[in-house]
Amino acid sequence: EVQLVESGGGLVQPGESLRLSCAASGFTFSNSWMHWVRQAPGKGLVWVSRISSDGLSTTYTDSVKGRFTISRDNAKNTLYLQMNSLRAEDTAVYYCASPTMTTRAFDMWGQGTMVTVSS
Amino acid sequence: DIQMTQSPSSLSASVGDRVTITCRASQSISNYLNWYQQKPGKAPKLLIYTASSLQSGVPSRFSGSGSGTDFTLSISGLQPEDFATYYCQQSYSTPWITFGQGTRLEIK
Repeated sequence: EVQLVESGGGLVQPGESLRLSCAASGFTFSNSWMHWVRQAPGKGLVWVSRISSDGLSTTYTDSVKGRFTISRDNAKNTLYLQMNSLRAEDTAVYYCASPTMTTRAFDMWGQGTMVTVSS
Repeated sequence: DIQMTQSPSSLSASVGDRVTITCRASQSISNYLNWYQQKPGKAPKLLIYTASSLQSGVPSRFSGSGSGTDFTLSISGLQPEDFATYYCQQSYSTPWITFGQGTRLEIK
């Protein structure tokens, strides 16, 4: 069964750090480009970051550039998002997702992990 | 960034109805348009990719059309499990993917 399972969310204070993980199984993770997408409470979906299959190419949305770092360990079939200098506006459910390369549509999603930034 | 605008933002309908949701892109995106369904507390689920292709396992009452800047998602014969929020998403400018703001489909 194809599966993405996020973990690492929680409650942190502004300025603190958190690392999210996304464990993949049931498909060839090392061949897959991976993304993080977030959703603030009651709001829509927002793309956050992407990493190439080999980990050498990364891209970020402007609002997290310089604060978040996406990475992966293909030996462990795991995707990461290191989030530093967290702000209240980073409060959201964070999903890892993987697109089909030919269609560029996200056909695989994790269940999400909640990050709350509040004092 | 390519802006995606969905209409309506919310919609009330009855079981058995046919509904249509519209998504407009701020510039041409060819057919790189995908539709997702999201239920409360759940991850989005891919319904339609490249504007009109039905994802495996998705009921045939869902259909998509359009190209360029204007797209539609139609659901014929609404079922109780179809009441959810629907999002369009452009993947033309990957990785700078953008989603529409969502359309909440409610039971009348």
